[in-house]
Amino acid sequence: QSVLTQPPSVSAAPGQKVTISCSGSSSNIGNNYVFWYQQLPGTAPKLLIYDNNKRPSGIPDRFSGSKSGTSVTLGITGLQTGDEADYYCGTWDSSLSAGVFGGGTKLTVL
Amino acid sequence: EVQLVQSGAEVKKPGESLKISCKGSGYSFATYWIAWVRQMPGKGLEWMGIIYPGDSDTRYSPSFQGQVTISADKSISTAYLQWGGLKASDTAMYYCARPYCSGGTCYSKPFDMWGQGTMVAVSS
Repeated sequence: QSVLTQPPSVSAAPGQKVTISCSGSSSNIGNNYVFWYQQLPGTAPKLLIYDNNKRPSGIPDRFSGSKSGTSVTLGITGLQTGDEADYYCGTWDSSLSAGVFGGGTKLTVL
Repeated sequence: EVQLVQSGAEVKKPGESLKISCKGSGYSFATYWIAWVRQMPGKGLEWMGIIYPGDSDTRYSPSFQGQVTISADKSISTAYLQWGGLKASDTAMYYCARPYCSGGTCYSKPFDMWGQGTMVAVSS
């Protein structure tokens, strides 16, 4: 059971938009910056979003992040088949004094 | 080139000990935390713990405290994850990862660099 809760799967057609939610509590999302990773099959995770809504260099603006209270959302517009991957939210948990991840969401581009 | 290179895949029997490694290059190894992340087959990411090679300050997730030992040797830019007695449930891919910022306060920051992963299989 992960500390952060994500839907197991989402799907959408190419060119469409999808959102992935991640919920937590005041000890983690509510009081810390959140980040998102993309993990393509058979590869190491890649940082997509940090500090709730910032993109590292090289990440297209099709990817966006937002936060409200103890929940965050990853948005992906203009879906491409290459976006099919597992997406993980993560943050620091001040009560655990440890990093935590969501359980991951598998994105299928139909 | 800045990179983290991990040791190769391991096949072990229950009860055996193991130490896997993660070598950093192309940056000041001592000033960036190194974390270990577990991914069991078909499952999600789990934050295990993190070490600051500069002074070996180490933080563990409560889920992994006492189950593994994280260490580092800054003289050879290498971090380690070790087990004293492996279980079948330790079968997983293990990644090392580095936060995007340097310094002693960056332990909570996201990882912008990852190793390629070390697969550990434990079976009798």
